[in-house]
Amino acid sequence: AQTVTQSQPEMSVQEAETVTLSCTYDTSENNYYLFWYKQPPSRQMILVIRQEAYKQQNATENRFSVNFQKAAKSFSLKISDSQLGDTAMYFCAFLGSGGNTPLVFGKGTRLSVIA
Amino acid sequence: GAVVSQHPSWVICKSGTSVKIECRSLDFQATTMFWYRQFPKQSLMLMATSNEGSKATYEQGVEKDKFLINHASLTLSTLTVTSAHPEDSSFYICSARRSGLYNEQFFGPGTRLTVL
Repeated sequence: AQTVTQSQPEMSVQEAETVTLSCTYDTSENNYYLFWYKQPPSRQMILVIRQEAYKQQNATENRFSVNFQKAAKSFSLKISDSQLGDTAMYFCAFLGSGGNTPLVFGKGTRLSVIA
Repeated sequence: GAVVSQHPSWVICKSGTSVKIECRSLDFQATTMFWYRQFPKQSLMLMATSNEGSKATYEQGVEKDKFLINHASLTLSTLTVTSAHPEDSSFYICSARRSGLYNEQFFGPGTRLTVL
């Protein structure tokens, strides 16, 4: 079974600074997807970024980028120019192949952006 | 964009009563929907996977007779908490996967259930 590990329960960063959230996973599959979701205080889950395992290029979405190391099974999220609105829980998630396969979530990292 | 709605957004009920939560995909068809439970400051815990027109697949430890899931159409799934007790109080989140695109999953805003 796949597992997702987020080793940082809480992190904080100064506004405008850069922060990196770590995520590792375990799988025997070769084709899969990785995601970072954000859950602000409203508790609505918001997709931040997605990475296909077959793509070597790291995904980027504006201030958010990932460092995907397939061999190391590592998928970290970098937030540049942190903003107060980035304060939220961040969940790393794994999706294996197959139509009904559910997302496997990590335990989350609570990020606080400090003014 | 793909929108998933949940109703109600919050509900308070008395112990022993049943509560139904609706999850709708508003602008797309969802062959697969998922129901999660989330405790404060914790991750999402998958309760069950439901496919349109068939019985839901429950995760280990989730009582299927207590948490009834119905996925009657490609846009609607319901979760009924039967004979609710205070320990069922939690935040319930549904998620829908767009037909034909299994790698895109959209989440509802959640339902806060409080059982007195």
